[in-house]
Amino acid sequence: QVQLAESGGGVVQPGRSLRLSCAASGFTFSNYGMQWVRQAPGKGLEWVAAIRFDGRDKHYADSVKGRFTTSRDNSKNTVYLQMNSLRVEDTAMYYCAKDDYYSSGSPHFDHWGQGTLVTVSS
Amino acid sequence: DIVMTQTPLSSPVTLGQPASISCRSSQSLVHSDGDTFLSWLHQRPGQPPRLLIYKISTRFSGVPDRFSGSGAGTDFTLKISRVEAEDVGVYYCMQATQFPYTFGQGTKLEIK
Repeated sequence: QVQLAESGGGVVQPGRSLRLSCAASGFTFSNYGMQWVRQAPGKGLEWVAAIRFDGRDKHYADSVKGRFTTSRDNSKNTVYLQMNSLRVEDTAMYYCAKDDYYSSGSPHFDHWGQGTLVTVSS
Repeated sequence: DIVMTQTPLSSPVTLGQPASISCRSSQSLVHSDGDTFLSWLHQRPGQPPRLLIYKISTRFSGVPDRFSGSGAGTDFTLKISRVEAEDVGVYYCMQATQFPYTFGQGTKLEIK
């Protein structure tokens, strides 16, 4: 079965960096795009970033563009989110999600990890 | 960016009764390939979101048939034919027609 496991969250000071990882299993990772979505405490969902199956195409929310970078290592079935110049408003639960476009021809997030909490505070 | 607006933001429902959530987009969600990439997700407290419906009306694997989606263009609806206790939580619509992908604000479904 599909499993996604995020890691790397924690407490960090404003201006510092953090790298999140999302380890995938249960599907052919190299065929699927991956997504990052975050949720600030008590708030709704915010799409953060997307990476194509081969890593050659990436998209970012304006709120993180220029500060966050997503990448993937298909040999390790892992997608990453490098977060630089962190701000207090980046505090959130960060989820990775599998995009089912390869199977269905439709981009939608069919499986989600449990999330990793990032707290930006001085 | 496409703005997704859900109504209502809160919906108290009696068990066994129907529920309906509306989602409106600020522009058409019809993709250049003719498909419409509108999804519905459900999030229980303390849990990650889970996919219910994609492409307006296609139920994801394992989703009960009491959930249905409809709509076109800019107006979409999620209906629950008979609400069960496990349906409580927050429902989100999401568009994946155009980057940046965007979510609605969420609709909290609670039992009366």
